[in-house]
Amino acid sequence: AQKVTQAQTEISVVEKEDVTLDCVYETRDTTYYLFWYKQPPSGELVFLIRRNSFDEQNEISGRYSWNFQKSTSSFNFTITASQVVDSAVYFCALSRDHPSGSARQLTFGSGTQLTVLP
Amino acid sequence: DAEITQSPRHKITETGRQVTLACHQTWNHNNMFWYRQDLGHGLRLIHYSYGVQDTNKGEVSDGYSVSRSNTEDLPLTLESAASSQTSVYFCASSESLQGAYNEQFFGPGTRLTVL
Repeated sequence: AQKVTQAQTEISVVEKEDVTLDCVYETRDTTYYLFWYKQPPSGELVFLIRRNSFDEQNEISGRYSWNFQKSTSSFNFTITASQVVDSAVYFCALSRDHPSGSARQLTFGSGTQLTVLP
Repeated sequence: DAEITQSPRHKITETGRQVTLACHQTWNHNNMFWYRQDLGHGLRLIHYSYGVQDTNKGEVSDGYSVSRSNTEDLPLTLESAASSQTSVYFCASSESLQGAYNEQFFGPGTRLTVL
């Protein structure tokens, strides 16, 4: 069975602070995919990043960066110089690698509510 | 532009009533999924379909049913709504190309309240 744990239920920071959202996953698969989604107050799910299990390189996209470590089964997300617009619920998710290429159901963590105060 | 829509966006119903939530996608995707979102649980898979006439149960399928009569639609039915089914429901779809990762695209969500 797959499992994703986001132990931080809520985080509050002041604007311009850096913040790291933790994600720990469990899977028996050797090939899998990891994701981060953002859910702003408007409610839609916004895709941020996908990572496959063979690519452990850290990724940076503007103020966002992701640290994938298979040794600790973690896929942490850091926002540098946070802004009020970053306030949202952030979900980490895990997907199996289905041999047919289809039906990769997502297993989500419980989410972290990030509040960035002005 | 291709899209995935859900209707209604908000619904209030009473315990015991049958409710159907619609999901429609115009990408011609084979795969469609229904998730529910609850505080403390994230999103959990209810049902999914790999194509027309195919349906499968997910993690939290009790009290829900789906049918897939065409590629574009996967309606979710609550046969007898219960207060425990008050939630936000998300529909998603994805392609099924072999040898490629097939991204899931999410609809805007339906907020259902069962009184």
